[in-house]
Amino acid sequence: SSELTQDPAVSVALGQTVRITCQGDSLRSYYASWYQQKPGQAPVLVIYGKNNRPSGIPDRFSGSSSGNTASLTITGAQAEDEADYYCNSRDSSGNHRGVFGGGTKLTVL
Amino acid sequence: QVQLVQSGAEVKKPGASVKVSCKASGYTFTSYGISWVRQAPGQGLEWMGWISAYNGNTNYAQKLQGRVTMTTDTSTSTAYMELRSLRSDDTAVYYCARQGIAAAGRVYYFDYWGQGTLVTVSS
Repeated sequence: SSELTQDPAVSVALGQTVRITCQGDSLRSYYASWYQQKPGQAPVLVIYGKNNRPSGIPDRFSGSSSGNTASLTITGAQAEDEADYYCNSRDSSGNHRGVFGGGTKLTVL
Repeated sequence: QVQLVQSGAEVKKPGASVKVSCKASGYTFTSYGISWVRQAPGQGLEWMGWISAYNGNTNYAQKLQGRVTMTTDTSTSTAYMELRSLRSDDTAVYYCARQGIAAAGRVYYFDYWGQGTLVTVSS
């Protein structure tokens, strides 16, 4: 089991807004980073920290955090956003070990 | 441009060891750490551990302690991950990723990834 909990699957209509969440005690002390993974490809960083987007990531991706929950929001979802999304942070042991959420499969209808 | 290029696919028997390499280019190797992440077939991402390319400090996932060793060769800007006593459930794609830290250590992120190395453990 993961120390970061994500919904296994979420769907969104084309052009609508979707929020993918990640819950865990360590998120009270650390920010999350978010990764998009398409089949057969390596993960891609889409959001890290409070709300930082790497170069090349569309501004429809945004991040937020409150309490023990981090969220990735896609405003105006596109067909190419259909993918698995993973959150990552440190575990809650204080040993600075990394941990991934179980992943959310996003379907764009 | 930043690139991480990993070694090729491996097939190993149970009980054997595997060593995967990750050659970095396009940035100052010692300025970032390298994390290793694996993904079993049809499963999610699993963080395996981290090594500082600056001083060689490591931090391994608890479940892999004693079986995994991560090293770097700064002369060639290459990171290595060795996993011993392989079992069938070690069959996975293994990724290296450059690790950055921001917000005074409150966020760790993996901004560049290798292409992945498939390790198959089978008798």
